[in-house]
Amino acid sequence: EVQLLESGGGLVQPGGSLRLSCAASGFSFRDYAMTWVRQAPGKGLEGVSGIDGNGVGTYYADSVKGRFTISRDTPRNTLYLQMNTLRAEDTAVYYCARGGGPTTYFLGYWGQGILVTVSS
Amino acid sequence: EVVVTQSPATLSLSPGDRATLSCRASQNVGSYLVWYQQKPGQAPRLLIYDSSSRASGIPARFSGSGSGTDFTLTIRSLEPEDFAVYYCQQRRDWPLTFGQGTKVEIK
Repeated sequence: EVQLLESGGGLVQPGGSLRLSCAASGFSFRDYAMTWVRQAPGKGLEGVSGIDGNGVGTYYADSVKGRFTISRDTPRNTLYLQMNTLRAEDTAVYYCARGGGPTTYFLGYWGQGILVTVSS
Repeated sequence: EVVVTQSPATLSLSPGDRATLSCRASQNVGSYLVWYQQKPGQAPRLLIYDSSSRASGIPARFSGSGSGTDFTLTIRSLEPEDFAVYYCQQRRDWPLTFGQGTKVEIK
């Protein structure tokens, strides 16, 4: 059974940093692209960042480019999102999601989501 | 960036009705259009990928069509559990972009 479990969220002050983790199990981690998608309270979905199965291709929304860094640790089956210089508008539930193949970004499996709140 | 626009914002229907949801991309995305369902407090659920391919375990009453810039999700006969918000997403290019959602509510 595919499972994705996010951790690392919480309350942080504007300008601060946070690192999200997503522990993956039940599939061959190296064979799938992974993505972070966020949803601000009461709003729609936003694709934040993605990384190909081989870890070489990385992609970002314009709103986070230069502030967020996605990475993956294949031996640990874990996806990360390092978030720096956080802003109030980064407040959202962050979902980890698995792609359909090594470079395929339809999202067939999702974690339960983790809340990040940026506030003083 | 590919802008994705959904219509209508809200669809008020009764169980047993047919639901037709639209999604338009600002650029040609070929068949790289995906549909999700989201219920309150839950993560999105993949319904349809690449315009018309049903995801594993998705009932046959859900179908997708379209190519290029215009796409449609059809729910043939609404079941009580189908009342939810539906999002489309293009996967041709990064950034991945989603529509703003269509809420299917009980009339």
